[in-house]
Amino acid sequence: QLQLQEAGPGLVKPSETLSLTCNVSGGSISSINYYWGWIRQPPGKGLEWIGSISHSGTTYYNPSLKSRLTIFEDTSKNDFSLNLGSVTAADTAVYYCARHSMFRFGVGAFDIWGQGTVVTVSS
Amino acid sequence: DIQMTQSPSSLSASVGDRVTITCRASQSVSIYLNWYQQKPGKAPKLLISAASSLQSGVPSRFSGGESGTDFTLTISSLQPEDFAIYYCQQSYSIPWTFGQGTRVEIK
Repeated sequence: QLQLQEAGPGLVKPSETLSLTCNVSGGSISSINYYWGWIRQPPGKGLEWIGSISHSGTTYYNPSLKSRLTIFEDTSKNDFSLNLGSVTAADTAVYYCARHSMFRFGVGAFDIWGQGTVVTVSS
Repeated sequence: DIQMTQSPSSLSASVGDRVTITCRASQSVSIYLNWYQQKPGKAPKLLISAASSLQSGVPSRFSGGESGTDFTLTISSLQPEDFAIYYCQQSYSIPWTFGQGTRVEIK
């Protein structure tokens, strides 16, 4: 059974880089049919897609974050990671990693999620 | 960006009630519309993909509909475990975007 688990520091200082890794078990991130993504949720607010990476390493970023964002994968460790630079308090959120699968008519959706990790930006 | 607007933002209902949540896209997303359920402190759970395809294991009291740029999530008979926040999400064009959520509360 596929499981995703986020890992990384819970506290990041303003202007520094937020780095998170999603460890994938029970399946390979190199599987052709899937993308792997990051979604965040500020306290008490809704969901925001951050970006995704395909099995071949192609990345797709939210334009609102693109200038600060890097998503990459390590197939040897079967994980993928997020670096978000120059963080501010507005980046405080629960960060989720998730698998993006293709369903009927080729419609993609996030079908398996990690439990989420809280990241606070504060000095 | 495609804006997804849900209505209502919250609703109160009783067990057994029929509940309908609407999601309107700012432009066509075809059927590239998904619904998620989120309970407090938990990750979202995919309920419906492609506007109306129920995910495996999701109770049949949940259903999705589509009419142009308007989409609906209906719960035919609300159960205690259905009290949660529901989000729509379009996967038609990047950036993929979510609605602001609809909180379903106990009356």
